[in-house]
Amino acid sequence: ILNVEQSPQSLHVQEGDSTNFTCSFPSSNFYALHWYRWETAKSPEALFVMTLNGDEKKKGRISATLNTKEGYSYLYIKGSQPEDSATYLCAIIQGAQKLVFGQGTRLTINP
Amino acid sequence: GAGVSQSPRYKVAKRGQDVALRCDPISGHVSLFWYQQALGQGPEFLTYFQNEAQLDKSGLPSDRFFAERPEGSVSTLKIQRTQQEDSAVYLCASSLGEFQGNTEAFFGQGTRLTVV
Repeated sequence: ILNVEQSPQSLHVQEGDSTNFTCSFPSSNFYALHWYRWETAKSPEALFVMTLNGDEKKKGRISATLNTKEGYSYLYIKGSQPEDSATYLCAIIQGAQKLVFGQGTRLTINP
Repeated sequence: GAGVSQSPRYKVAKRGQDVALRCDPISGHVSLFWYQQALGQGPEFLTYFQNEAQLDKSGLPSDRFFAERPEGSVSTLKIQRTQQEDSAVYLCASSLGEFQGNTEAFFGQGTRLTVV
């Protein structure tokens, strides 16, 4: 059974500040890693799908990196805005058929 | 519709009652997944369909849980004789196929089940 760990579990950040959080996973038999953003009362939405060691992906003020050899991914948010408040979920693919999620990082941006 | 649709959005059930949760995936999506998210936890895998075939049901917590997708599109998750520990958000997701390359999952808004 894959064990995906996210830290911290919750985070409060002042508007305008930058922040980052971590997803750790077993480095053996890596296939792909997904980041999802889940805003309250909405559906989780994919931010990034990452497959290659050293991958760096960016979408606006949000970026992510991947290290498959040591088993971690970082998600960065630059210049946090209130609309960034959400739970950020990391998931690893197991057997090409299912996502195994971490417990999420709940981010709150304080105006 | 444009996205994955789940109904009902909220369900309150008395302990012992049977419930049925519906998922309408994105048209043409072969794969369909059900996840259970308890308070403060990440989503936990329940079951997976490829078209109408249920290929993995290893995450179903007990034989009170049953899922079907008879025509390879709409899916129903049924919980019999609900218990308080079944209270959770049930998420449905669909994808074009297996998670190869950049294939991502598309989620519904979930059904929040409260058993009283």
